[in-house]
Amino acid sequence: GAVVSQHPSWVICKSGTSVKIECRSLDFQATTMFWYRQFPKQSLMLMATSNEGSKATYEQGVEKDKFLINHASLTLSTLTVTSAHPEDSSFYICSAREDGNEQYFGPGTRLTVT
Amino acid sequence: QKEVEQDPGPLSVPEGAIVSLNCTYSNSAFQYFMWYRQYSRKGPELLMYTYSSGNKEDGRFTAQVDKSSKYISLFIRDSQPSDSATYLCAIPRAAGNKLTFGGGTRVLVKP
Repeated sequence: GAVVSQHPSWVICKSGTSVKIECRSLDFQATTMFWYRQFPKQSLMLMATSNEGSKATYEQGVEKDKFLINHASLTLSTLTVTSAHPEDSSFYICSAREDGNEQYFGPGTRLTVT
Repeated sequence: QKEVEQDPGPLSVPEGAIVSLNCTYSNSAFQYFMWYRQYSRKGPELLMYTYSSGNKEDGRFTAQVDKSSKYISLFIRDSQPSDSATYLCAIPRAAGNKLTFGGGTRVLVKP
């Protein structure tokens, strides 16, 4: 099946710094990628949708200046958490899909902000 | 009212038992229904999806949809300890294939 990878799998950063998370589709071209956030024992909440070569569409309540998303190629999307704070600590999961096909999820990235 | 609601559990069953999981949804326009399995600290993986009312089987898994009641179910037969995970129902929104997830039910199958 299709494989989506994320890097890093776990990152710790200090409050006020920025951190970048990569999401890659390894064996297919992802025309659309989605970014989710999941707090402990809670479900996945969609943060934004990105299409290759265009600006991301953010869900209501998600700060686009804080969570910068770039989908520069058909196999790579990045999420940058800017000026991170402890409340941004969460599990961030991306998914990717080729047109008309199902979404495939990455393994997730655990962000801890100290 | 949330668009998709799911009992959080945890649901603890002995090995070999049938696991019964349910979700309710509010929008009668929803057409597709999905079940994902998520192991701890991993991304979700798609187990099954259904389009119409009725049952769909895949190995030990059966997905059931009752559109008149806006109720979807997942049954796991002959449960194994390896089935211990969180199970999430998900429904694609009409546009853009965005998924709305239920809160997830944590399942523990005891050997």
